[in-house]
Amino acid sequence: KNEVEQSPQNLTAQEGEFITINCSYSVGISALHWLQQHPGGGIVSLFMLSSGKKKHGRLIATINIQEKHSSLHITASHPRDSAVYICAVLMDSNYQLIWGAGTKLIIKP
Amino acid sequence: NAGVTQTPKFQVLKTGQSMTLQCAQDMNHEYMSWYRQDPGMGLRLIHYSVGAGITDQGEVPNGYNVSRSTTEDFPLRLLSAAPSQTSVYFCASSYSLGETYGYTFGSGTRLTVV
Repeated sequence: KNEVEQSPQNLTAQEGEFITINCSYSVGISALHWLQQHPGGGIVSLFMLSSGKKKHGRLIATINIQEKHSSLHITASHPRDSAVYICAVLMDSNYQLIWGAGTKLIIKP
Repeated sequence: NAGVTQTPKFQVLKTGQSMTLQCAQDMNHEYMSWYRQDPGMGLRLIHYSVGAGITDQGEVPNGYNVSRSTTEDFPLRLLSAAPSQTSVYFCASSYSLGETYGYTFGSGTRLTVV
């Protein structure tokens, strides 16, 4: 049983579409982390949040602690948003990250 | 400000060889960790350190050693490489300040063991 589940595993959309990627977890956490990994392999931290909502440019991340669920939204998607988006939770017991398997997003022009 | 520097970027080893993956950070972060990423799986924690002189095992520590003699450096040693250790390795450094956390990742090392 995975402690962090992401959905969908793969997502293909047209440029301009509104994108939602979901993350559910089953452990107690201090914070939830959204990261982006491009085909070249580098990992970039997008958001770290423990409550509510954060926004950076066209990216919005929300978290519902009671429901143990977070979403990452991309507005006005663009081909350069194509990447793997990874959800990871920071466990409150030992402050280690537990990682989801990632969502592969392809935005077609 | 270099962030987290990982070397080498690519490496091919023969079974049984040993090598060290280097990781250095210049942000004075307390926490450093090593992960491996295999196709179709999330990153898995190998070893981590909460400060100089302190290390601990993660989820998949077998076949790997680490040390943390300084805040800046956290090398990962493969003692006797095996094909099962073919993977992409990421080093990360992080901090926590109250309810604020920050993570920075190295660019990764693609290791192939033949």
